[in-house]
Amino acid sequence: QITLKESGPTLVKPTQTLTLTCTFSGFSLNTGGVAVGWIRQPPGQALEWLALIYWDGDPRYSSSLRSRLTITRDTAKNQVVLTMTNMHPVDTATYYCAHRGAAMTHFDDWGQGTLVTVSS
Amino acid sequence: QTVVTQEPSFSVSPGGTVTLTCGLSSGSVSTSYYPSWYQQIPGQAPRTLVYNTNIRSSGVPDRFSGSILGNKGALTITGAQVDDESNYHCMLYMGGGIWVFGGGTKLTVL
Repeated sequence: QITLKESGPTLVKPTQTLTLTCTFSGFSLNTGGVAVGWIRQPPGQALEWLALIYWDGDPRYSSSLRSRLTITRDTAKNQVVLTMTNMHPVDTATYYCAHRGAAMTHFDDWGQGTLVTVSS
Repeated sequence: QTVVTQEPSFSVSPGGTVTLTCGLSSGSVSTSYYPSWYQQIPGQAPRTLVYNTNIRSSGVPDRFSGSILGNKGALTITGAQVDDESNYHCMLYMGGGIWVFGGGTKLTVL
């Protein structure tokens, strides 16, 4: 059974850097083709794909947020970390991490999400 | 920048059939975009319904089906149930390891 869980601060101040951790089980990020992605959803709004990291450490980023995002993995800890710099109130959202199976083109398992509020 | 379009809202009667669509602001959706569909009850994480255009995820009732209709991806619910009232999101693979979600459709069943 695949599970993912997001963790990190619930409140950050404008201009600060957000660091979120996705801790997963039930799969290995050492397996060829597997990937973990991050998706966010502002309250009452649409989902937005942010970033993804492949099993080999190769990252991919949303073109609109590329300059602010970094995604890394720690295969020993079964964790994927997303950092987002220069946070704004408009970045207030629920942040999800999700599993992408080998050679798949969708996210098949999702974490429960974590709400991050950006406010002074 | 390419925008993925969805109907903001839709309504269907219980037992009825509804088709939600997933388009592109520029161009046509084809199987090469590997459209996938997610159901999301407010306050919960998304649940995968359909992927690779028309493959139902494990445990998804067969009243949900995916296809390409014209120049758009489509999710059809045949015999809608009250429990299907939810938000539905489509996602397209843009190539190069990049994905884009649509704006979501709020489906009302009444």
